[in-house]
Parts: sequence; structure tokens; C-alpha cells
Amino acid sequence: ILNVEQSPQSLHVQEGDSTNFTCSFPSSNFYALHWYRWETAKSPEALFVMTLNGDEKKKGRISATLNTKEGYSYLYIKGSQPEDSATYLCAFKGGTGNQFYFGTGTSLTVIP
Amino acid sequence: EADIYQTPRYLVIGTGKKITLECSQTMGHDKMYWYQQDPGMELHLIHYSYGVNSTEKGDLSSESTVSRIRTEHFPLTLESARPSHTSQYLCASSGSGGSSYNEQFFGPGTRLTVL
Repeated sequence: ILNVEQSPQSLHVQEGDSTNFTCSFPSSNFYALHWYRWETAKSPEALFVMTLNGDEKKKGRISATLNTKEGYSYLYIKGSQPEDSATYLCAFKGGTGNQFYFGTGTSLTVIP
Repeated sequence: EADIYQTPRYLVIGTGKKITLECSQTMGHDKMYWYQQDPGMELHLIHYSYGVNSTEKGDLSSESTVSRIRTEHFPLTLESARPSHTSQYLCASSGSGGSSYNEQFFGPGTRLTVL
């Protein structure tokens, strides 16, 4: 089982603050990285699919970057809103095998 | 909103019972997955299928079995439930669309408690 780490484990920010968190994964044999948002009592929803070193993806106030050579991805949220409160999961797939490996997630709480 | 369904959402059952967790999707996806998640832990893949009559085990060992007789249906069965099976089970699917690393669409999960 591959090791995918996310930090911090949890985060509390004030409404309007910008924040970021990290997903670390094996730097060799990269294939793809996914980011998901998981709100309480709902299903995880895909945010980004990232496949190339240097990828930068953006969806509204949320963006992500990817560095496959050093094995990390950052997720940024600009001007956090209470509706951004959720657990953010990353999932890594290497070049061999058929499965994605998930991190434990970063739990974000945005305080109004 | 993704069209992937799981039933039941919650199940409390006694040791030794046989249970089947249902998962269906209406998106025509060929790939389907079962994940297990214990509190505070990662999602771990226990089974996956890349099409009808194709099933494989994930890295996390599981005493459950799955079947894929129809594209849209991927049930998971525990022949004899034990307290160690208490966990949350999430089903997911993804399409091919020319790529083998498409995003996964998740169901709402089944929270299983075995007494």
C-alpha cells in the first residue's frame, strides 16, 4: 500500500481568509492525482484531475498545483466561505497497478 | 449530480448474518469500485471491476465478495458478518472516455455496524 499524506489534518479559518493544504505522494512513477471535496452527509465530489508536472487547475476560488518530481500537490482556497467547510481528499495513482491511494484528508472549517 | 446509489445507508446487524450492500449507477460507467473507510483513516480499495464479469481485489484484504453481472450493478456481500466488519463502505464508478484516470463518482455510502 502506497503512502499518501495530507497536511494539516484539520484547519479552522475565518471567513475571508485564504488557505492552502498539501498532499504528498511517491515522487517516482507518477500517473495521476485527484482532489475531492467531501461535505458532511454527502458523497465525495471530484475537484481536479491532474496528470502533468506543473499542472495548475482552477475552479472558482479553488486552485491546485502539481509537482510530480518532488511528489506534492497544493490546494488553495482564496477568500474562504462557510460553504467551503468540508474534508478535502487527494488520491494518487502510480504507473503500475490499477488503483488510486487516498490520503486521510484535510478537514477545513470556515468560521463565519 | 452523480447518479450512483447505495442501499442501505445505515445497517445494524448481528454477528453471523449474511448481508449484501447494493450499489447501482446509471451513467453507463464501466469501472466500479468499493472502498472501506474506518473513522479517521483513509479510503481503502477493497474491490474493483473494469466491466461485466471482471472483478479484482484491492490492496486491502477483505472477506467480502463482489459480482458484476450487469454494467450498472456492483453488489458487495459478506457471508458472515463480524464486529471487525463495522465500517463505512463507499461505492464509486468512473468512465473510460479515452482515459484510464478519469474522476470517480461516489455514492453516499453505507455505514455498517455489526454487533
